[in-house]
Amino acid sequence: AQSVAQPEDQVNVAEGNPLTVKCTYSVSGNPYLFWYVQYPNRGLQFLLKYITGDNLVKGSYGFEAEFNKSQTSFHLKKPSALVSDSALYFCAVRVGGNTPLVFGKGTRLSVIA
Amino acid sequence: GAVVSQHPSWVICKSGTSVKIECRSLDFQATTMFWYRQFPKQSLMLMATSNEGSKATYEQGVEKDKFLINHASLTLSTLTVTSAHPEDSSFYICSASGGSQYNEQFFGPGTRLTVL
Repeated sequence: AQSVAQPEDQVNVAEGNPLTVKCTYSVSGNPYLFWYVQYPNRGLQFLLKYITGDNLVKGSYGFEAEFNKSQTSFHLKKPSALVSDSALYFCAVRVGGNTPLVFGKGTRLSVIA
Repeated sequence: GAVVSQHPSWVICKSGTSVKIECRSLDFQATTMFWYRQFPKQSLMLMATSNEGSKATYEQGVEKDKFLINHASLTLSTLTVTSAHPEDSSFYICSASGGSQYNEQFFGPGTRLTVL
């Protein structure tokens, strides 16, 4: 069975500093990995995905993530955090085809001015 | 990117009534739609997967007679919460997959259901 772990419930970072939101996964087969962001009372917005190819994936709003197969990780990063990045972030995995996404529990990011 | 809409965005109903939530893919054909439920400060839990023209596949623990899902066309899926009770109050989110963006799901904005 697939699973996703986001070990941190909350991440606090000062504006302008780099941020990392951690994600590890467990699947049978090749993973398709995703990051989504959710603002209060809103649906999910797609940030980036890894399907195949380059392990470093660049996405929306300056975010990037690195696929690390040996560590089964897909951490989300941004070089310089903005206050507007404050939101709930979800890592998700699927194993191809039209299979449903399995989500991590989410990490709340707070960027402090 | 592809757009998925949900209607209504929020609904308040009395206990015992039924509520229908629509999920539409606006600019692509969604061969598969997924329905998720999200409790406050928690992750999304998959309720069911529906393929156009087929019966939905429900996750373990989800009552199919209570949460009726219909996916009658490639652009529309509906979730009907029958005989709603306060414990059904939640944020319901649909997503759609298909067409050229085969590996990606596009999410609707969600529907906040409050049952009094």
